[in-house]
Amino acid sequence: SQQGEEDPQALSIQEGENATMNCSYKTSINNLQWYRQNSGRGLVHLILIRSNEREKHSGRLRVTLDTSKKSSSLLITASRAADTASYFCATYNNAGNMLTFGGGTRLMVKP
Amino acid sequence: SQTIHQWPATLVQPVGSPLSLECTVEGTSNPNLYWYRQAAGRGLQLLFYSVGIGQISSEVPQNLSASRPQDRQFILSSKKLLLSDSGFYLCAWSQGQGDQPQHFGDGTRLSIL
Repeated sequence: SQQGEEDPQALSIQEGENATMNCSYKTSINNLQWYRQNSGRGLVHLILIRSNEREKHSGRLRVTLDTSKKSSSLLITASRAADTASYFCATYNNAGNMLTFGGGTRLMVKP
Repeated sequence: SQTIHQWPATLVQPVGSPLSLECTVEGTSNPNLYWYRQAAGRGLQLLFYSVGIGQISSEVPQNLSASRPQDRQFILSSKKLLLSDSGFYLCAWSQGQGDQPQHFGDGTRLSIL
């Protein structure tokens, strides 16, 4: 079963707009990670946020984590056509040896 | 820097034929290694992971097997492919576990006819 579930499943926006994707998870975590996947390619790690952090920034990415609600969000500001991809959240199990991915959000940024 | 190589990029195989997909990592030692399968438009399903040579853990019962003959080599195999084995197979590595990102190869698109 999936630990993380992304919402929405698909998102279409215009270049320059902000894109927000949400992730909910079920069990307690030490950290939560976000990955990006271009069509037909492998996943690329974007950012990791630890359970004691509430917000983290990396360039145009902003990730928030609310452990009380077991949810996280990924915000991409000033989106570009090159941001078109699928975005996945992922969490490790308690043993720290298995990363479980959500179903992903497919983002399309129209030029 | 570390790199991960996965091949072939695409593969078309008949039902009942054998399979061997190979993944190698360079620039690191004793990595954790992973095989995932991704159905079209879906998330990743962990198939196997390995924390060392000869150590393989399987997450789902299936028609596939994995081996780690060398520290940085991970092989996904099948003796007889099924139609349901079609999918996108991804290899990944991480250094340690728990709070480490995973680094992915570019995947193998496997089509079974």
